[in-house]
Amino acid sequence: AQSVTQLDSQVPVFEEAPVELRCNYSSSVSVYLFWYVQYPNQGLQLLLKYLSGSTLVKGINGFEAEFNKSQTSFHLRKPSVHISDTAEYFCAVKIMDTGRRALTFGSGTRLQVQP
Amino acid sequence: GAGVSQSPRYKVAKRGQDVALRCDPISGHVSLFWYQQALGQGPEFLTYFQNEAQLDKSGLPSDRFFAERPEGSVSTLKIQRTQQEDSAVYLCASSWGTGRPTEGAFFGQGTRLTVV
Repeated sequence: AQSVTQLDSQVPVFEEAPVELRCNYSSSVSVYLFWYVQYPNQGLQLLLKYLSGSTLVKGINGFEAEFNKSQTSFHLRKPSVHISDTAEYFCAVKIMDTGRRALTFGSGTRLQVQP
Repeated sequence: GAGVSQSPRYKVAKRGQDVALRCDPISGHVSLFWYQQALGQGPEFLTYFQNEAQLDKSGLPSDRFFAERPEGSVSTLKIQRTQQEDSAVYLCASSWGTGRPTEGAFFGQGTRLTVV
């Protein structure tokens, strides 16, 4: 079985500062990796995904993430955050090469951007 | 429609009551997923449909939970004899293809169920 660990439940940061949201996964097979964002009272929106190829993935709203196979990590970064980035962020995995299509999510990290 | 629509947005049910939650996926989307999100947690998979076929129901927590998608579009998640531990946000997601990872899944805003 696979699992996803998001090490920080909350990350406070000042506006225009850089941020890193950490994600580690555990799986006996290869996985695809995703980051979703959930704004208050809204559904989840896909930020970016890693399927194969370059380990540095760029997403929407200036976010990027780097896949590190040896450390089984997929940390999300942004060089300069805005107030509007305040939201809940979820890391998720999907198993490769099987009929199982469900995502396994982490417990989320609440990013709080302060002025 | 423009996005995945779920109704109602909020539902309060008395313990023991049956509830039905509706999901209208994006028109033409083949795949439909239901997830349960407890307070302070990430979403957890409940069940998956490809058109009208329920291909995976491994995440349904008990036989009180039942989902259907009879015509391959709108889906209903039914919970019988609700209990307090059923209180959560129920999320629906759809995608145009057969649920492969190269496809983006679009999520609805969810239905917040509170069992009192």
